[in-house]
Amino acid sequence: DAKTTQPTSMDCAEGRAANLPCNHSTISGNEYVYWYRQIHSQGPQYIIHGLKNNETNEMASLIITEDRKSSTLILPHATLRDTAVYYCIVRPAAGGTSYGKLTFGQGTILTVHP
Amino acid sequence: DVKVTQSSRYLVKRTGEKVFLECVQDMDHENMFWYRQDPGLGLRLIYFSYDVKMKEKGDIPEGYSVSREKKERFSLILESASTNQTSMYLCASRAYNEQFFGPGTRLTVL
Repeated sequence: DAKTTQPTSMDCAEGRAANLPCNHSTISGNEYVYWYRQIHSQGPQYIIHGLKNNETNEMASLIITEDRKSSTLILPHATLRDTAVYYCIVRPAAGGTSYGKLTFGQGTILTVHP
Repeated sequence: DVKVTQSSRYLVKRTGEKVFLECVQDMDHENMFWYRQDPGLGLRLIYFSYDVKMKEKGDIPEGYSVSREKKERFSLILESASTNQTSMYLCASRAYNEQFFGPGTRLTVL
């Protein structure tokens, strides 16, 4: 699986957009970008994933650069409950021998301030 | 809603004890995973199972074994617990594009 690089920590004011970057310069053509988050004392939670097009769901938006070497997770109106560790993961689509394994890096600690 | 449950939130065991960590999912998923999470090391995959009685080693299988006798249940076994296995253990099951995690078991080995 391709390696990802994320900032160690970020701050965001409540109600503002939180933009979390991720570099994945060695991503290969069949690898997706996934984002998970982990709120303190809970298991990780899926947020969103994408291949090359930008994606949006009820939680967040995912912007992937044209060369696919980096991406940004956007939480449009951050709340205090969004304070968590955010993980960017790249891996092949589920199926084949990967069985959907995820390799978690260190992630970004996002702190949302009042 | 998909539910992944783990048998205990907190567990304290002694060195040398045999430890069973149980995970149950209610969505008929074929793939299940066991991770451990340690400060500064993130989540690391111990074992996974892609079907009943089928298993594969993850990145750090040493000192662990697993059992998948029924589709909904995936057990992690520490044959002889050691202090370096003190950690948070997380179980997950997978739908096509998403892994669903349980709440975790914080195991302390004294």
